[in-house]
Amino acid sequence: EIVLTQSPGTLSLSPGERATLSCRASQRVTSDYIAWYQQKPGQAPRLLIYGASSRATGIPDRFSGSGSGTDFTLTITRLEPEDFAVYYCQQYVGSPRFTFGPGTKVDIK
Amino acid sequence: EVQLLESGGGLVQPGGSLRLSCAASEFTFSSYVMNWVRQAPGKGLEWVSGISDNGRSTYYAESVKGRFSISRDNSKNTLFLQMSSLRAEDTAIYYCAKEDGIAAPRFQYWGQGTLVTVAS
Repeated sequence: EIVLTQSPGTLSLSPGERATLSCRASQRVTSDYIAWYQQKPGQAPRLLIYGASSRATGIPDRFSGSGSGTDFTLTITRLEPEDFAVYYCQQYVGSPRFTFGPGTKVDIK
Repeated sequence: EVQLLESGGGLVQPGGSLRLSCAASEFTFSSYVMNWVRQAPGKGLEWVSGISDNGRSTYYAESVKGRFSISRDNSKNTLFLQMSSLRAEDTAIYYCAKEDGIAAPRFQYWGQGTLVTVAS
């Protein structure tokens, strides 16, 4: 089973700063199968990025995804107040079908 | 706008059963793979189960295999999760999610979730 590891566990930043979140797979993963989600307290997750680098509908261009092989990155170029949340990477693996990383919390410094 | 509305959560004793429902609207339900994802209190996301568009293929996480059963009624645009032999560790918010993208599978739409609490 492919395991996703996210780092750091918590990222403390100020509005306007750049956030770089890492997602590492224990084995090589097809880039098409990597997605990123944002979750705020009391809300369902929100799709940000799919196929490692494609922005979902309505997602601002300050969010971008990159990576290949085993290492993937979500970058938020300039943090807005509404971006402070928990971020999860997800992979489609076929069986079981999906797994999620443990999450990175981006909080206000 | 796609809508997914879960129901059926509640308090159940260990070893008990519960059936969750997810009513879907504003899309052609019978054309999409559907999934259940759960989140234990204060924890991360865990994919639980998925079902093909026609209901013939089902998929489960190892943690629920043999205890949970996913199904769908395409005539009623409804997804189900039958949960039995429930354990304390099954306590979580359960979300249904519409799967999009054959080439790049992802969950564009989620319900608001329904809370299942397993406790005596």
